[in-house]
Amino acid sequence: GESVGLHLPTLSVQEGDNSIINCAYSNSASDYFIWYKQESGKGPQFIIDIRSNMDKRQGQRVTVLLNKTVKHLSLQIAATQPGDSAVYFCAENIEGNTPLVFGKGTRLSVIA
Amino acid sequence: EAQVTQNPRYLITVTGKKLTVTCSQNMNHEYMSWYRQDPGLGLRQIYYSMNVEVTDKGDVPEGYKVSRKEKRNFPLILESPSPNQTSLYFCASSLRGRGPMNTEAFFGQGTRLTVV
Repeated sequence: GESVGLHLPTLSVQEGDNSIINCAYSNSASDYFIWYKQESGKGPQFIIDIRSNMDKRQGQRVTVLLNKTVKHLSLQIAATQPGDSAVYFCAENIEGNTPLVFGKGTRLSVIA
Repeated sequence: EAQVTQNPRYLITVTGKKLTVTCSQNMNHEYMSWYRQDPGLGLRQIYYSMNVEVTDKGDVPEGYKVSRKEKRNFPLILESPSPNQTSLYFCASSLRGRGPMNTEAFFGQGTRLTVV
């Protein structure tokens, strides 16, 4: 629900603009990364993933960029819409061997 | 429809009264897990299960039990709930194997538990 969004960093963007959400991951051995979207009152939903042998992957309106040198992941949303308003989490793991570890999340607020 | 189903969605209980939150998935996934979500702390894993009869502790297992007698079900048991277990709980499942997208997790809708 709404309470999980308290204390989170918030990104406010105008409808139609592009959004960039950043994530610093913790384990240099991680080789698989996922972005999840969590709307109010719902469980996290998969958006896009990327493996460490790639530095960029594109989906529909979303792009994930991976910089292994500085352990940084970003999610770019093109032409942000009101329905994109949610909390976004990055998650990392060593593929197939360890549980997913989630970041703290960022709240995206779209201004109509 | 592929889904993870948790019950109940909301629960208010008293300290010490045993409760179980059920989780069921219809995707034949091997891997299931439980998370709790708290403000400022994000999602933290409680327990996970790699397959039937195989369970392991996550990051915050104290005060919780799980069982995995069948592939589709993974109940979370609080033998003696305490107020610090008031939280939003999520069950998740994923296909554990080789190949692409083998760790994408599908989440249930959540169970909001209040222990008074």
